[in-house]
Amino acid sequence: GQQVMQIPQYQHVQEGEDFTTYCNSSTTLSNIQWYKQRPGGHPVFLIQLVKSGEVKKQKRLTFQFGEAKKNSSLHITATQTTDVGTYFCMDSNYQLIWGAGTKLIIKP
Amino acid sequence: DVKVTQSSRYLVKRTGEKVFLECVQDMDHENMFWYRQDPGLGLRLIYFSYDVKMKEKGDIPEGYSVSREKKERFSLILESASTNQTSMYLCASSLWGLAGAQSYEQYFGPGTRLTVT
Repeated sequence: GQQVMQIPQYQHVQEGEDFTTYCNSSTTLSNIQWYKQRPGGHPVFLIQLVKSGEVKKQKRLTFQFGEAKKNSSLHITATQTTDVGTYFCMDSNYQLIWGAGTKLIIKP
Repeated sequence: DVKVTQSSRYLVKRTGEKVFLECVQDMDHENMFWYRQDPGLGLRLIYFSYDVKMKEKGDIPEGYSVSREKKERFSLILESASTNQTSMYLCASSLWGLAGAQSYEQYFGPGTRLTVT
């Protein structure tokens, strides 16, 4: 069945460094939603991308949707401790396919 | 404030027991969802419902059933619990619309960590 591949599984960064997670699909994605799950918490909606080539920003977070609607990325500039958690993408087609998540870890 | 509640945060059951997980939302949402979350696998959709008494299978419905008798309540049933159903179970709700431009953000409950021994 359809899969959404999300990489990397983990990313260790120093506070202040940037972070990026990527979602890729072999088939055209419907819309992409991004969620953040803090340690011990539940997923919380961040944003939805609908259009091919769309770019949206939320403060230090930049979300992109590929031109062919087969990939998407989330980039965080100058990470802070409050950014720690796991970031998930989800293709909101009929079956609601989720990526496996990328865990952002801030090195002490 | 939007709220999705789940009946238990932690649950321990024995193999073969019938298990009920309850979810209630107070947002008048049409859609409700049950997921399981396992490390390294993300969230996998078990069942969803877009209306009272309506249900659709998700990616992994085997071993589970659901019930939606009222709009605000969506129950997940494990008819005969097995150890491979040990997992975190997340309930979510959203406004109606699943595909294309009509998809809406999902609101999640706190989760139920189920252990089957």
